[in-house]
Amino acid sequence: ETGVTQTPRHLVMGMTNKKSLKCEQHLGHNAMYWYKQSAKKPLELMFVYSLEERVENNSVPSRFSPECPNSSHLFLHLHTLQPEDSALYLCASSQDSREKDTQYFGPGTRLTVL
Amino acid sequence: AQSVTQLGSHVSVSEGALVLLRCNYSSSVPPYLFWYVQYPNQGLQLLLKYTSAATLVKGINGFEAEFKKSETSFHLTKPSAHMSDAAEYFCAVSDPGNTDKLIFGTGTRLQVFP
Repeated sequence: ETGVTQTPRHLVMGMTNKKSLKCEQHLGHNAMYWYKQSAKKPLELMFVYSLEERVENNSVPSRFSPECPNSSHLFLHLHTLQPEDSALYLCASSQDSREKDTQYFGPGTRLTVL
Repeated sequence: AQSVTQLGSHVSVSEGALVLLRCNYSSSVPPYLFWYVQYPNQGLQLLLKYTSAATLVKGINGFEAEFKKSETSFHLTKPSAHMSDAAEYFCAVSDPGNTDKLIFGTGTRLQVFP
């Protein structure tokens, strides 16, 4: 595998379920990101990790819980979600978290909350 | 705070015609600017970026963009559209006050007709 991979690609869950999204980067990068992409809205940055330390939490509800066990893996744990949380969740990585570093995106997980 | 405006949520061109996608930003300091493309069911891919070097930036797939400070613009162009250019295009600006944050526009969907 090369680049940034995300699993699963599609996920349907009920509001009482607990699930996790997984992201893996094979680029040797030090920074990883979670974004939410909803229709007709700009991408929303959710979390940023740099060297496995969370450096940004963009007022995200606690029903979303990130985890970064090492610099290659990033998880987003989901529990008691709401229908409005249905969206495409994108993971990205960059060499570091400097403002001019290019972010490389995964294909996303399409989440539907029933 | 930084912001990005993409004029026109949809742009349609004929194959072989000029592509022009507009992006204006607001910033109190020289920003870093990016154009990303998203094909259906895929993540975002970097087309090009401006990081305070040459104002005319050439990217992949024949695209280029010109940074115009006086107009606070970073419009994306391609001389001749190809059917494979049909996708959603996002302009983004880095936030100098926050090295971890990339601010995205709402996107422009490009349709190419034969």
